[in-house]
Amino acid sequence: NAGVTQTPKFRILKIGQSMTLQCAQDMNHNYMYWYRQDPGMGLKLIYYSVGAGITDKGEVPNGYNVSRSTTEDFPLRLELAAPSQTSVYFCASSVTGDTEAFFGQGTRLTVV
Amino acid sequence: AQSVTQLDSQVPVFEEAPVELRCNYSSSVSVYLFWYVQYPNQGLQLLLKYLSGSTLVESINGFEAEFNKSQTSFHLRKPSVHISDTAEYFCAVNTGGFKTIFGAGTRLFVKA
Repeated sequence: NAGVTQTPKFRILKIGQSMTLQCAQDMNHNYMYWYRQDPGMGLKLIYYSVGAGITDKGEVPNGYNVSRSTTEDFPLRLELAAPSQTSVYFCASSVTGDTEAFFGQGTRLTVV
Repeated sequence: AQSVTQLDSQVPVFEEAPVELRCNYSSSVSVYLFWYVQYPNQGLQLLLKYLSGSTLVESINGFEAEFNKSQTSFHLRKPSVHISDTAEYFCAVNTGGFKTIFGAGTRLFVKA
């Protein structure tokens, strides 16, 4: 019972490098989300998708890009990494936009 | 715009004591309310939710929360906590749209 799987779990990037955080879900959920979690700030929505081929910006999209070519996968791309992107990133999915979300284990990213 | 305020960032409590984690929200429309729990180095998982019906909702591990529309609150309570309840707890609100807003989190620390 995999649920939502994120890779990698940890990553250190140098300023200006790029990387893709992978997210896959096996529950056939239409809705998928990327959040970042910073200490004392809760979760901030970066991007979300309501189905394959449809994505939209959340609260903090700058510096990130996403794609959704299949129902299962929702990768998050960081271009030109900056120290401000040091955070823990969570991918989540849900059946609809107002039902409970299922979260992955998170990716801890440090930009130095 | 909707928002969620968790009034305590940290709550230390002795084992077997009662606890209340406070959550207030602002919204001009009907809401769906959630409590999520995050254990160390893990993703968030749903603890309980209020969608409609009875204003008192319960989880399988002894937590309960009451939706109070007049006070716009959804406080989480447990009559007797265990060491294993040590975690961070997030209150979240959705107004039926695509986005769920999370509070900043309350870190519950249960001491022996």
